[in-house]
Amino acid sequence: AQSVTQLDSQVPVFEEAPVELRCNYSSSVSVYLFWYVQYPNQGLQLLLKYLSGSTLVKGINGFEAEFNKSQTSFHLRKPSVHISDTAEYFCAVSDPNTGNQFYFGTGTSLTVIP
Amino acid sequence: EPEVTQTPSHQVTQMGQEVILRCVPISNHLYFYWYRQILGQKVEFLVSFYNNEISEKSEIFDDQFSVERPDGSNFTLKIRSTKLEDSAMYFCASSGARGGGDTQYFGPGTRLTVL
Repeated sequence: AQSVTQLDSQVPVFEEAPVELRCNYSSSVSVYLFWYVQYPNQGLQLLLKYLSGSTLVKGINGFEAEFNKSQTSFHLRKPSVHISDTAEYFCAVSDPNTGNQFYFGTGTSLTVIP
Repeated sequence: EPEVTQTPSHQVTQMGQEVILRCVPISNHLYFYWYRQILGQKVEFLVSFYNNEISEKSEIFDDQFSVERPDGSNFTLKIRSTKLEDSAMYFCASSGARGGGDTQYFGPGTRLTVL
């Protein structure tokens, strides 16, 4: 089975500063990778996903993530955060062959400080 | 933009009672899922549902749980006799196609509190 580790449960960052949210996965096979964001009282919204091709993936709201197979990582980055980026961020993986399940990390709570 | 909706947003129940959590997936989607997140823990897969039957389920999804698509729009999760450890946030999701690459669209969740 696959697993996902999000190393930071809480990340405070000042407005307009860069941020990186870390995600590592454990799998011996190829995977699909996702980042979701959850704003208060809302559902999980897809930020971006990696299926194949370029390892640098750009998503909504200025976020991007880089797939690093050798380090089994898929860290999420934004060069300059805004107050509205305050939310819970979840990394998830799925198996291209079996597909149905998404395996999630525990989430990282990003707080942007004015 | 179409979205997945869930009701209620918060459900409080006594241990041993039955609860039904409701979801309305995106209308043209064919695959439906339930996940849960116990406070401070990972979001965990419970079950996937396609063509009116369960296609995959996790170890968590034991005989106390059942899912149903009673009509063309609703997708429900029933817990027959709730336990304290069932307290969690329950997320419904839907996707248009099977396959790991297809995006699953999630609802806002139902927070279940078992007393």
